Amino acid sequence: DAKTTQPPSMDCAEGRAANLPCNHSTISGNEYVYWYRQIHSQGPQYIIHGLKNNETNEMASLIITEDRKSSTLILPHATLRDTAVYYCIVSLAEYNFNKFYFGSGTKLNVKP
Amino acid sequence: DGGITQSPKYLFRKEGQNVTLSCEQNLNHDAMYWYRQDPGQGLRLIYYSQIVNDFQKGDIAEGYSVSREKKESFPLTVTSAQKNPTAFYLCASKGAVTDTQYFGPGTRLTVL
Repeated sequence: DAKTTQPPSMDCAEGRAANLPCNHSTISGNEYVYWYRQIHSQGPQYIIHGLKNNETNEMASLIITEDRKSSTLILPHATLRDTAVYYCIVSLAEYNFNKFYFGSGTKLNVKP
Repeated sequence: DGGITQSPKYLFRKEGQNVTLSCEQNLNHDAMYWYRQDPGQGLRLIYYSQIVNDFQKGDIAEGYSVSREKKESFPLTVTSAQKNPTAFYLCASKGAVTDTQYFGPGTRLTVL
């Protein structure tokens, strides 16, 4: 079963920041938070992941609360191409192997 | 060009027939996975393999079979025992030097 809770949908204006929340209140100390997105009928695309510190890469920023029970994915300047379903996943990052449980995700609609 | 390939992109089968979906990766990853996705839902794990000649059932393995004879290949057979096989099938892989899974483009299977 998915260990995360996300809103089913969100809207965002093009050029504005998109902030996607995720609750993971039962996360254990050695589980990472991963974010993926899936554009219709394509394979999920990796975005970012983190353990407890905030992370940033060329695609997005990940903010994890101090108690690690929730996180926010930030797309700083959303474009129409960012319209997709965004999945938040918690999982151990074992050497060579991890196991993901996907929930239903958040459908982000970026509007002109 | 490195990555994960799945073939074919679209597959049609008559009810009662077995069909095999291909997944190949040239990333030198040890772990490989098969997921199923139904419309409007997240991905569910069918089978996974952590190493060549070894694989384990995921959450919805009934009606499916796999083999892992080579590191780069992890074919999935959808058997006639699978009661509702029409779905989008995704393959993924993970290596030792990366914390995350990388997904192929998917195969859409339709049973006529």
